[in-house]
Amino acid sequence: DAKTTQPTSMDCAEGRAANLPCNHSTISGNEYVYWYRQIHSQGPQYIIHGLKNNETNEMASLIITEDRKSSTLILPHATLRDTAVYYCIVRGGSQGNLIFGKGTKLSVKP
Amino acid sequence: ETGVTQTPRHLVMGMTNKKSLKCEQHLGHNAMYWYKQSAKKPLELMFVYSLEERVENNSVPSRFSPECPNSSHLFLHLHTLQPEDSALYLCASSQDWVDEEKLFFGSGTQLSVL
Repeated sequence: DAKTTQPTSMDCAEGRAANLPCNHSTISGNEYVYWYRQIHSQGPQYIIHGLKNNETNEMASLIITEDRKSSTLILPHATLRDTAVYYCIVRGGSQGNLIFGKGTKLSVKP
Repeated sequence: ETGVTQTPRHLVMGMTNKKSLKCEQHLGHNAMYWYKQSAKKPLELMFVYSLEERVENNSVPSRFSPECPNSSHLFLHLHTLQPEDSALYLCASSQDWVDEEKLFFGSGTQLSVL
């Protein structure tokens, strides 16, 4: 069973920040939050991951709440090429399997 | 380019055919994965190989047979498939099969079973 809850779809205007929420209220202390995205007809692409601190890289920022029960992926200046399905995944334990849910379909519009 | 190459990109086969999907990674990774993505469904993990040994087999029908001859190559042998097996088959790799390792995916093979 998926351990995360995401909105089915979101729209964002080109050039604006896209904020994608994810709820993971049952996350345990050793589980990381990962974000991947999948552009149509391609394989998923890693974006970012974190444990409890906020993280930033060249693609996005990840904000994790203090209680770790939710997080937000931020694309600071969305472009049309950011249109994709975004997956929030909680992963941890002794084995490294990624379990994908249905994700959020982000549509960036001109 | 992610460093994970899958061939063929598209495949159409009949239910009595035998075919193989190939995956090659150029990243020096030790773990490789097969995922299946059916239309409008989440990705399903099928098999995991770590250091060329199968470590995960998620109740996949025997008509799907994986093979990992070395750490750079992964195959998925297909025989007597059903139309419901039509899907996008994705290969991925990671440095190791442990926490915190990110996965690198290939572009997938779009399989149609007639």
